[in-house]
Amino acid sequence: NAGVTQTPKFQVLKTGQSMTLQCAQDMNHEYMSWYRQDPGMGLRLIHYSVGAGITDQGEVPNGYNVSRSTTEDFPLRLLSAAPSQTSVYFCAKGQGSSYEQYFGPGTRLTVT
Amino acid sequence: GENVEQHPSTLSVQEGDSAVIKCTYSDSASNYFPWYKQELGKRPQLIIDIRSNVGEKKDQRIAVTLNKTAKHFSLHITETQPEDSAVYFCAALSNTGFQKLVFGTGTRLLVSP
Repeated sequence: NAGVTQTPKFQVLKTGQSMTLQCAQDMNHEYMSWYRQDPGMGLRLIHYSVGAGITDQGEVPNGYNVSRSTTEDFPLRLLSAAPSQTSVYFCAKGQGSSYEQYFGPGTRLTVT
Repeated sequence: GENVEQHPSTLSVQEGDSAVIKCTYSDSASNYFPWYKQELGKRPQLIIDIRSNVGEKKDQRIAVTLNKTAKHFSLHITETQPEDSAVYFCAALSNTGFQKLVFGTGTRLLVSP
C-alpha cells in the first residue's frame, strides 16, 4: 500500500456539509500532500506539508483546510462542501532525501 | 509556475508495438521527472523517473528520455502487452523549497491483443 492509508474510500455529502478526509503514513516521511483528480485534468495539488506544524497551499486550495500536528497524519477538511468538490482525492508522501512521491489508495467524494 | 503538457491524450496500439508519450515543461528549474501509471480505480504508481543530470534511463521494457534544452521528456514502452493498458501521467518537480509535483493531463493507452 506504499505506506499511505486513506479513509474513507467513498463518501457522499450534501452541499454545505463538512467532513475530514484522513491520511496517515507509517514512516517518518516529512513531505505529505493532497491532490484531487478530475477527468481530463490530471492531478492537481491542493495543500502540502514539509513537516509537522508546517503547511502551505498548492494550486487549488480554496474550500479546503489542512493541519499537520504529527508527522504521521495529514487530514484534509472540507468546511462547506460544494458540488465542484466532487472528485477523487489522493494523499501522497515523500522524503527529502529523494524526490519520489507515493500515493495512497484515494477517497472518492461525491457532493450532491 | 510550472506547466506540463502531455500528448497524446489517447493512444491505441497493437500488442507487441511500441508506444511513445511526450511531455513538455515550462520551468527550467525543474529537475526531476517521474512517470506514473494508473489502472482503473487504482492509485497512481511510480514506474520510472529521471533526473535532470541524466539524458536517458531504462527499466526493462520502459525507458524515459529527457531533453533539457528543449524542455521535453518522453516515455517509451516497447513490446507492449495488454496489461500495459492504463492511464499514464508525466510530472515535473521544481525543487523550490518543497518537492512540488506538477502533473500532465494523462494519456490513456490501450493495447489490443
